[in-house]
Amino acid sequence: GAVVSQHPSRVICKSGTSVKIECRSLDFQATTMFWYRQFPKQSLMLMATSNEGSKATYEQGVEKDKFLINHASLTLSTLTVTSAHPEDSSFYICSARLSSGKGNEQFFGPGTRLTVL
Amino acid sequence: DAKTTQPPSMDCAEGRAANLPCNHSTISGNEYVYWYRQIHSQGPQYIIHGLKNNETNEMASLIITEDRKSSTLILPHATLRDTAVYYCIVTAGGTSYGKLTFGQGTILTVHP
Repeated sequence: GAVVSQHPSRVICKSGTSVKIECRSLDFQATTMFWYRQFPKQSLMLMATSNEGSKATYEQGVEKDKFLINHASLTLSTLTVTSAHPEDSSFYICSARLSSGKGNEQFFGPGTRLTVL
Repeated sequence: DAKTTQPPSMDCAEGRAANLPCNHSTISGNEYVYWYRQIHSQGPQYIIHGLKNNETNEMASLIITEDRKSSTLILPHATLRDTAVYYCIVTAGGTSYGKLTFGQGTILTVHP
């Protein structure tokens, strides 16, 4: 099946620093990738949709200047959490959409656990 | 996207079939039914999806009622590794853009 990787898997940073998370589709090209956030004991929440070569589309309530998304190639999207604060601590998960004739299923990365001290 | 309703939790004995129901009474004609699962502290895993016909793959079977207002995901021989949160999601498929809106899902616990 389609494989999506994320790096790093876990990161701890100090408050006020920026953290970059990479999402790669390893064996397919993805024109569209998605970024989700999941707090403990809650479901995934879509943050933004990342389209290769264009600006990301953010969901309501998600600050685009705080969560910078870049989708420079068909296999790589990055999420940068700028000036991170403890409330940004969460599990960040990306997915890549594989367009096929039957549908557009998404394949998810393993997630990145961010802890802001 | 149409809303879905799932039971919050279910139990199943190892080796038996696990049947997970989902109601989606407001589904529209161009919307697909997708199933994903999430094992603790991992990213969700795609299981199966369908439009109106029943579907089967190596992981599971998806049974969609004729009126498309509900569906059932069937894991034919559940194992301990199938313990996870299962999400039923309805969204536009085909070549249309379709966001995935995750609800609370069903926590499936498979017992020895």
